[in-house]
Amino acid sequence: EAQVTQNPRYLITVTGKKLTVTCSQNMNHEYMSWYRQDPGLGLRQIYYSMNVEVTDKGDVPEGYKVSRKEKRNFPLILESPSPNQTSLYFCASSSSGKGSYEQYFGPGTRLTVT
Amino acid sequence: AQSVSQHNHHVILSEAASLELGCNYSYGGTVNLFWYVQYPGQHLQLLLKYFSGDPLVKGIKGFEAEFIKSKFSFNLRKPSVQWSDTAEYFCAVNSAGSGYALNFGKGTSLLVTP
Repeated sequence: EAQVTQNPRYLITVTGKKLTVTCSQNMNHEYMSWYRQDPGLGLRQIYYSMNVEVTDKGDVPEGYKVSRKEKRNFPLILESPSPNQTSLYFCASSSSGKGSYEQYFGPGTRLTVT
Repeated sequence: AQSVSQHNHHVILSEAASLELGCNYSYGGTVNLFWYVQYPGQHLQLLLKYFSGDPLVKGIKGFEAEFIKSKFSFNLRKPSVQWSDTAEYFCAVNSAGSGYALNFGKGTSLLVTP
């Protein structure tokens, strides 16, 4: 089944404790992206990757890191989480980052930073 | 910078009522337009998209949207809503001029009552 998976689905952590949210897709997609969803703000892009070893900042990259060493994986790293990073995070992928290609979304990771 | 506006943040309708959700975007060049839906507790799914051709686009589950270039609008419609349409709806836009970054509106929460 074609899908985007994220782990963990739920995470409660404390300020400053490094964490990684994994994202994996099995559709051989070139493009992958991370979003955060906050009430009243919709989805905002954190980072995206047009292909392996190619990443770039989205609208809200501060406090996050990413890497794209393999085509299928695009982990999101929070080196020192803070309470303002409490949010619902979605990973997405598509065939290409250009044009009208549909983005496929993962199930989401709900992160709480205390 | 490109922006997307969704006029209604919360909509409550009775079953069988007609639905129209507004979406306007600010970019003047060639755009690709999308409507995504997020059912409670689930990830985003594509309802429909427009990139060229007939400005009236039909999507899944009886939804349709009309692209009106002169009004920079891409409104979502459904003639008769069902309780199962209760969800959050997001309009999104990308364009070559913005590097194809997908910009989301803040979303419209639709509640359909029996």
